[in-house]
Amino acid sequence: AQSVAQPEDQVNVAEGNPLTVKCTYSVSGNPYLFWYVQYPNRGLQFLLKYITGDNLVKGSYGFEAEFNKSQTSFHLKKPSALVSDSALYFCAVRYYSSASKIIFGSGTRLSIRP
Amino acid sequence: GAVVSQHPSWVICKSGTSVKIECRSLDFQATTMFWYRQFPKQSLMLMATSNEGSKATYEQGVEKDKFLINHASLTLSTLTVTSAHPEDSSFYICSVVGTSGYNEQFFGPGTRLTVL
Repeated sequence: AQSVAQPEDQVNVAEGNPLTVKCTYSVSGNPYLFWYVQYPNRGLQFLLKYITGDNLVKGSYGFEAEFNKSQTSFHLKKPSALVSDSALYFCAVRYYSSASKIIFGSGTRLSIRP
Repeated sequence: GAVVSQHPSWVICKSGTSVKIECRSLDFQATTMFWYRQFPKQSLMLMATSNEGSKATYEQGVEKDKFLINHASLTLSTLTVTSAHPEDSSFYICSVVGTSGYNEQFFGPGTRLTVL
């Protein structure tokens, strides 16, 4: 069964420091992996995806994610955090049995302090 | 990416009434839309897949008679919460599937439902 795990409920980082939001996955077949961000009382915004190819995927707002097959991880990273990056981040994976459905992780709240 | 709107953005209703939430794909035709609900500080739970011109497919545990979905056109899907109760209070979010073939979904801004 497809699943993703986000082991940290909350990540706190000082502005200007690098940030990492962790995600591990379990899939049957090739993984289609996604990161989304949610600001308060808003829908989700697509950040980036991994389908195939380079393990380092670059996305919106300066975020990137590294696909690591041996560790079954897809951690979200940014070299220098901004206060405006504070939000809820979701990792997601495509359902095996459906071409369109995706399943979300539990979410990680990222807090950037000035 | 796709632009998705939802209406209303928030609604308060009395217990026992029905509430309709609209999801519109503004810039492309969406044969498939999804409906999610999200409780405070929790992840999104997929409720159903809305298919244009056919019946919605509901996830296990979701009452189809409680949450009526209609996808009458390629740009509009509606979710009606029938005989709403306080436990139905939640944040409801719709999404459409992008056309790149890689399944990224584009989400509406959500509808906050509060049932008194």
